[in-house]
Amino acid sequence: DGGITQSPKYLFRKEGQNVTLSCEQNLNHDAMYWYRQDPGQGLRLIYYSQIVNDFQKGDIAEGYSVSREKKESFPLTVTSAQKNPTAFYLCASSMLPGMNTGELFFGEGSRLTVL
Amino acid sequence: AQSVTQLDSHVSVSEGTPVLLRCNYSSSYSPSLFWYVQHPNKGLQLLLKYTSAATLVKGINGFEAEFKKSETSFHLTKPSAHMSDAAEYFCVVRDSYNTDKLIFGTGTRLQVFP
Repeated sequence: DGGITQSPKYLFRKEGQNVTLSCEQNLNHDAMYWYRQDPGQGLRLIYYSQIVNDFQKGDIAEGYSVSREKKESFPLTVTSAQKNPTAFYLCASSMLPGMNTGELFFGEGSRLTVL
Repeated sequence: AQSVTQLDSHVSVSEGTPVLLRCNYSSSYSPSLFWYVQHPNKGLQLLLKYTSAATLVKGINGFEAEFKKSETSFHLTKPSAHMSDAAEYFCVVRDSYNTDKLIFGTGTRLQVFP
């Protein structure tokens, strides 16, 4: 079955540690996205990538980094510079042109808690 | 700049009664609008989309939405709620300046009582 796989589903981290969230898709989609979800705030775009080896900052990129070495993979690193990293993180993908259909395919999310 | 406002953070209905989730949008251009649904601790799924064709849009699971330009609204409705409809619903507009970006509303949590 085609889809997007995020791991881990739950992650706990101590302050000052970097963590990397995995996102893999087998939909052959060109574009991939990372969103952050906080209660009552909807989804906010962190980073997105339209092609391999290229990515753009979203609205809240500070304290995060990404890479896109393979079409299937778009890992997100939450660095110690992110002041409030506890949140639910969602990875998504879409066919290019990115938003012409408006349909993003989402993974099931990773919940990060900083202790 | 585009934006969406979901007028209710929570909506409660009884099973079998109609559902109305309200969304107003702000856009200088003819917008592309969407509704997504999210079940607890899951990703989001597209319910339906409006992209300047028919103003009444039918989606999955019996939901539909009507685009009303004069009211700048895109409300989501369903004639008869089912227990499985309990979830969070997001109204979304596509950014006309950067069509790779979607702008999400803050969500409406729908509760369905037996």
